[in-house]
Amino acid sequence: DTGVSQDPRHKITKRGQNVTFRCDPISEHNRLYWYRQTLGQGPEFLTYFQNEAQLEKSRLLSDRFSAERPKGSFSTLEIQRTEQGDSAMYLCASSSAWREGYEQFFGPGTRLTVL
Amino acid sequence: ILNVEQSPQSLHVQEGDSTNFTCSFPSSNFYALHWYRWETAKSPEALFVMTLNGDEKKKGRISATLNTKEGYSYLYIKGSQPEDSATYLCAFTDTGRRALTFGSGTRLQVQP
Repeated sequence: DTGVSQDPRHKITKRGQNVTFRCDPISEHNRLYWYRQTLGQGPEFLTYFQNEAQLEKSRLLSDRFSAERPKGSFSTLEIQRTEQGDSAMYLCASSSAWREGYEQFFGPGTRLTVL
Repeated sequence: ILNVEQSPQSLHVQEGDSTNFTCSFPSSNFYALHWYRWETAKSPEALFVMTLNGDEKKKGRISATLNTKEGYSYLYIKGSQPEDSATYLCAFTDTGRRALTFGSGTRLQVQP
């Protein structure tokens, strides 16, 4: 399967701990996005990479959040000192400039629960 | 601030019914409108990407239309089946950004 993969699928952590999520995009896609979805809402944009460059960050991405995409391949999203409000589904998507409308393909998400 | 609205929030229909959902979005700086289907425990699945005013796209029993001048899109499902049960999300991109701005989705439940 050559779709977008995310790891882990579920993460339960205690408040104050650090967590890291990984996203592997579709191999030929140079753009990678992170979104967060909370109950009853649509996904909200967090950040976007083109190759290894982080080109845009949302106001939602507080100082406790950091994302990287070394070598323009997989990406990691780290949350430091987690808070209960960080509980959400974290989605990763990738796209190619060659697709109409920059169509984005999503992974299955990582569901984070902060106790 | 971009605002994407979807209605209804949820819908319960019987197998065989046809149904439609609405997505409204800002009509200025339009670049593309996306529809996704999201089933529980799965990845959101891209249904359609539409970029031109008047676009109509179809995939099996599902079709979508786009009006960029007035800022709305409709998604139609003909002859709903239980496997159509999912949350249907629309998302908008404007000319200045690549990120998607999503609506809150329409949750469809199709009863056998």
